Amino acid sequence: GAVVSQHPSWVICKSGTSVKIECRSLDFQATTMFWYRQFPKQSLMLMATSNEGSKATYEQGVEKDKFLINHASLTLSTLTVTSAHPEDSSFYICSARDRDSFFHSPLHFGNGTRLTVT
Amino acid sequence: AQSVTQLDSHVSVSEGTPVLLRCNYSSSYSPSLFWYVQHPNKGLQLLLKYTSAATLVKGINGFEAEFKKSETSFHLTKPSAHMSDAAEYFCVVNNSYGKLTFGQGTILTVHP
Repeated sequence: GAVVSQHPSWVICKSGTSVKIECRSLDFQATTMFWYRQFPKQSLMLMATSNEGSKATYEQGVEKDKFLINHASLTLSTLTVTSAHPEDSSFYICSARDRDSFFHSPLHFGNGTRLTVT
Repeated sequence: AQSVTQLDSHVSVSEGTPVLLRCNYSSSYSPSLFWYVQHPNKGLQLLLKYTSAATLVKGINGFEAEFKKSETSFHLTKPSAHMSDAAEYFCVVNNSYGKLTFGQGTILTVHP
């Protein structure tokens, strides 16, 4: 089945530093990937839609300069949390849809990245 | 606009008894609907999907869900709960652009 690999699975960083999270589709190509954020005991909130070869589309209220998204290839999207602060601590999950599937097909999810900013 | 409401934030059952996780949706068109399961500190695993074919959908691990348009519901059921079913479950609706809207989640606890 379709596999999405997300790395790292957890990261601890100091306030003010930047952290990069990678999302790879291992056995399929994805023109679109999605980045979500999940707070404890809450649902997933879509942060942005990552489009291969073009700029990401951010949801309302998400700072594009703080959460940099790059989707340089059909199998890799990265999320960089710049100048991280403790309030950025959260669980970040990426997902991808096989480009050969229909828009209503389900997404495949990575295992998430637990970010802790100290 | 579309929305998803999971009617129970927590459901607790005994092992071997039936499971019912309720989900209602609103959508201005015929949606695609999914149920995902999430174990602690893990990503989401697809349980089943409804994409305008059969209204009764069978998924993995013995789960199934029935799409009822008249009731705008897509409840998840399983005849007999197993300890390994303990997790959080999300009902999800897909809009016409492929963007997902998640319900708030239902935490399922299974007692021995």
